[in-house]
Amino acid sequence: IAGITQAPTSQILAAGRRMTLRCTQDMRHNAMYWYRQDLGLGLRLIHYSNTAGTTGKGEVPDGYSVSRANTDDFPLTLASAVPSQTSVYFCASSIDGQGAGGYTFGSGTRLTVV
Amino acid sequence: GQNIDQPTEMTATEGAIVQINCTYQTSGFNGLFWYQQHAGEAPTFLSYNVLDGLEEKGRFSSFLSRSKGYSYLLLKELQMKDSASYLCAAMDSNYQLIWGAGTKLIIKP
Repeated sequence: IAGITQAPTSQILAAGRRMTLRCTQDMRHNAMYWYRQDLGLGLRLIHYSNTAGTTGKGEVPDGYSVSRANTDDFPLTLASAVPSQTSVYFCASSIDGQGAGGYTFGSGTRLTVV
Repeated sequence: GQNIDQPTEMTATEGAIVQINCTYQTSGFNGLFWYQQHAGEAPTFLSYNVLDGLEEKGRFSSFLSRSKGYSYLLLKELQMKDSASYLCAAMDSNYQLIWGAGTKLIIKP
């Protein structure tokens, strides 16, 4: 089934621990994005990648890192988790960096940092 | 700064029509998106407007006025399954999406 797969679905993480959220797409989309969604706020862009091998910082990149070794995978790493990183994380993709055809979202990862 | 404004919550009756408004301020403009998000689920794409006017897609229509920085999503013949949050997002000159906080639509029988 074409789309985006995120893992894990949910996670409780101790503060200070390192964690990688996984994101894989099989639509051969060039652009991929990581957002966080918090109650009462719009989706906020953490990092993005317009094509394999390139990444860029979004609105709230601090404390997060990404890599894009190939077209399909775009993992998000929290080097040392803090409680303010408790959120729902969505990975998304689009055909190109201009959002052609809209964005397709994964089902999200609900992360709680305690 | 860049900003998207939309109402926090709206209530409508099954079978009726509802209009969800969105105003935006962005650095440059490359289009306006509407997404639907059911509770606990991912946003799903509804519509994209880049030129002024109305785009109709079944029961859903979206309107854009670039000169007024204004868009609306019109939902007709409301069904219970339309209960969801509706997210407005404007694309700026760098092709980054600026998202509103979403409008929670409650449909009553």
